Amino acid sequence: QTVVTQEPSLSVSPGGTVTLTCGLRSASVSSSFYPSWYQQTPGQAPRTLIYNTNSRSSGVPDRFSGSILGNRAALTITGAQADDESDYYCLLYTASGSGIYVLGGGTKLTVL
Amino acid sequence: EVQLLESGGRLVQPGGSLRLSCVVSGFRFSGYAMSWVRQAPGQGLEWVASVDDDGAVTYYVDSVKGRFTISRDNSKNTVFLQMSSLRAEDTAVYYCAKDRRVAPLYYFEFWGQGTLVTVSS
Repeated sequence: QTVVTQEPSLSVSPGGTVTLTCGLRSASVSSSFYPSWYQQTPGQAPRTLIYNTNSRSSGVPDRFSGSILGNRAALTITGAQADDESDYYCLLYTASGSGIYVLGGGTKLTVL
Repeated sequence: EVQLLESGGRLVQPGGSLRLSCVVSGFRFSGYAMSWVRQAPGQGLEWVASVDDDGAVTYYVDSVKGRFTISRDNSKNTVFLQMSSLRAEDTAVYYCAKDRRVAPLYYFEFWGQGTLVTVSS
């Protein structure tokens, strides 16, 4: 069973920079997992931020960026704003036979 | 403007069945895969199922295999999730999403607002 790991919670100061990461228990995350990132505020549907590791979805500010850092996918928020306080989820595509997606457990980001 | 509108969620007893629908507008529905993703109360997102653009190929998370069926009607721009043998742990908000299931993409481009399924006696 594929398990995707994320930091349960992180905090950042307004104007600061924070990096959220996304890993696998049994392997390294590379671009071949096509990592994508989603933002969700309570009671709302998810919003797509990043796809294919580092491509921003339409309308997403450039303070959001994606990358691979070591053996994990990463979402970096530069110049954090109050309304960035949300839950963030990463999604990995596992083509190993079953063509399934696996979502991480999410990171709750606090801006304070 | 892209819109995905889910419906069909309600209270259902354990062991019961339910069919969710998602009507899509704003893009060429028949050209894209579609997926369902759920979120149990207070929990994270979980991918449930996907169907390719013509309905020929489907994919499921292990926990729903044999109980849920994803399908689509391209003439009605609608994707369905037929759920049977429902369990309490299936209680969740169910979102449909436009699935860019093609290299080098593989992500959910747009999301609906969700429909709540509650499984309880």
